[in-house]
Amino acid sequence: ETGVTQTPRHLVMGMTNKKSLKCEQHLGHNAMYWYKQSAKKPLELMFVYNFKEQTENNSVPSRFSPECPNSSHLFLHLHTLQPEDSALYLCASSLTSGMVYEQYFGPGTRLTVT
Amino acid sequence: DQQVKQNSPSLSVQEGRISILNCDYTNSMFDYFLWYKKYPAEGPTFLISISSIKDKNEDGRFTVFLNKSAKHLSLHIVPSQPGDSAVYFCAARYAGGTSYGKLTFGQGTILTVHP
Repeated sequence: ETGVTQTPRHLVMGMTNKKSLKCEQHLGHNAMYWYKQSAKKPLELMFVYNFKEQTENNSVPSRFSPECPNSSHLFLHLHTLQPEDSALYLCASSLTSGMVYEQYFGPGTRLTVT
Repeated sequence: DQQVKQNSPSLSVQEGRISILNCDYTNSMFDYFLWYKKYPAEGPTFLISISSIKDKNEDGRFTVFLNKSAKHLSLHIVPSQPGDSAVYFCAARYAGGTSYGKLTFGQGTILTVHP
């Protein structure tokens, strides 16, 4: 596997379900990110992890719970979601040293909450 | 308050002609700007970037121009090809604080290149 991978690619869940999204990066990066993309809206940053430590929580509701066990893996645990949480969830990774700031994205998980 | 704006939701261009995508920002603390391209069912792909100390960066058919005084950047694609049809996002990096690598994205512009 190369780049940034995300599983599952599609997820349908009820409001009482608990599910998790997984992201893995194979680029040797130290920072990982979760973004939400809703229809006709800009990408919204949710969480940032740098060397496994959370450095940013963009006022995300507690029904979204991130976990970063190491610099290569990132999870987003979901429970009691609302229909308005239906969106494309994107994971990204980057280096945070030097002058390189490009983030590399995974293909995303299309989440539908029923 | 949207700090990075792409005011054109869509752009239609003939194959071979120039495509110009625009982006405006409001925060003078942004020090690095990026363009991403996104195809349906895929994540955004990094295209080209520019530091705030430069006013132009070129990579093949893609050139990004930065006008700091106007807080405006643009992406030029010459010549445009049908495979360039995608959603283009501009993004800006905030230089201050402890937000390592935090990027702020625009809403995106849908580019359609007609054969």
